[in-house]
Amino acid sequence: SQQGEEDPQALSIQEGENATMNCSYKTSINNLQWYRQNSGRGLVHLILIRSNEREKHSGRLRVTLDTSKKSSSLLITASRAADTASYFCATVHMDSNYQLIWGAGTKLIIKP
Amino acid sequence: NAGVTQTPKFQVLKTGQSMTLQCAQDMNHEYMSWYRQDPGMGLRLIHYSVGAGITDQGEVPNGYNVSRSTTEDFPLRLLSAAPSQTSVYFCASRFGNTIYFGEGSWLTVV
Repeated sequence: SQQGEEDPQALSIQEGENATMNCSYKTSINNLQWYRQNSGRGLVHLILIRSNEREKHSGRLRVTLDTSKKSSSLLITASRAADTASYFCATVHMDSNYQLIWGAGTKLIIKP
Repeated sequence: NAGVTQTPKFQVLKTGQSMTLQCAQDMNHEYMSWYRQDPGMGLRLIHYSVGAGITDQGEVPNGYNVSRSTTEDFPLRLLSAAPSQTSVYFCASRFGNTIYFGEGSWLTVV
């Protein structure tokens, strides 16, 4: 399986702090995406970064991509209680018919 | 727009029973798919469809059937439920690079 790996598996921080989670993958990608899943709900698309991009921002989210290390990081700045969720990375690989390959996720808990 | 709607939300089945998870989308997306989500694992693709009348197998298709008679609907059938099929199932549609998920169906096979 080409399943990506995310770390940490779980992260607990105080409200207002920054949260960083990482994703690594095994083979060349077309793009990498981050999704959020609130407890008991479906996944929601957050941000996409293409293989020729190194950094992307969306509000309090910052995503970086290092294709030489086959890794990405998601930074959430000034965390809020509402950011408590699981975060998943998904990679699109050209050699897998453009299907998404999912990581196991990082469970983020923001303590008030 | 309702987006992707899947039913039922919760279901308990006995081993050997069959059932259908329904999925409908109102965004006119050609691509639809079914995933299962198990603890500690990423989403795994069961079946997908790139348009009406076309379906294909994903990573874990055994024990499941799909059909795509219309653009809107993509039901998932469990032929003879097994405890290993206890999971959370997500239907999704895709436009470009973005996936839109339903709210999930929690299935327990006893």
